[in-house]
Amino acid sequence: GENVEQHPSTLSVQEGDSAVIKCTYSDSASNYFPWYKQELGKGPQLIIDIRSNVGEKKDQRIAVTLNKTAKHFSLHITETQPEDSAVYFCAASGPNSGYALNFGKGTSLLVTP
Amino acid sequence: DSGVTQTPKHLITATGQRVTLRCSPRSGDLSVYWYQQSLDQGLQFLIQYYNGEERAKGNILERFSAQQFPDLHSELNLSSLELGDSALYFCASSVAPDSYEQYFGPGTRLTVT
Repeated sequence: GENVEQHPSTLSVQEGDSAVIKCTYSDSASNYFPWYKQELGKGPQLIIDIRSNVGEKKDQRIAVTLNKTAKHFSLHITETQPEDSAVYFCAASGPNSGYALNFGKGTSLLVTP
Repeated sequence: DSGVTQTPKHLITATGQRVTLRCSPRSGDLSVYWYQQSLDQGLQFLIQYYNGEERAKGNILERFSAQQFPDLHSELNLSSLELGDSALYFCASSVAPDSYEQYFGPGTRLTVT
């Protein structure tokens, strides 16, 4: 089955700096790559996603890049703010997984003022 | 607020017991997914239903079962509970089984004592 690895497991940045989280996947048939933000006591919230026919997607301060050949994708957050502090999960999905999400282990991001 | 609702929010029960977790998908969504989140296993897909029918199975134990009713709400039944079943259980919904975006509910925290 699909195996998604995520790095780093923890990340601490100063307010205003950029943060980058990286993920790799194993199933070349996977074609959908969402990112979720989970705050304490809440469910995962979809913040951005990318499909395999696109190399990059931006939404204000967040962007995701995908390298299908290398089977890796990354989340970039610019001008970080304290409210960006949360756990971020990458996931991969496709027909081989029945379109269920296979998640990475998560990255705990701390943005210090 | 994703529009997915889950009840109860918290559940404390003893080993060997049986519990039922309930999920109502977003209005218009026909597909429901169940995920388990634990510290050691991370976020893992359990099972998917679409319009009342089981569509895909993940790492779901035989002691666990689920169903989706005609009004599209879903229930996850956990029986012969063990200490290791203590976890957060999330429901997610999507428009259709092969439409990628999944929106998560707030989860049910299950504690088995």
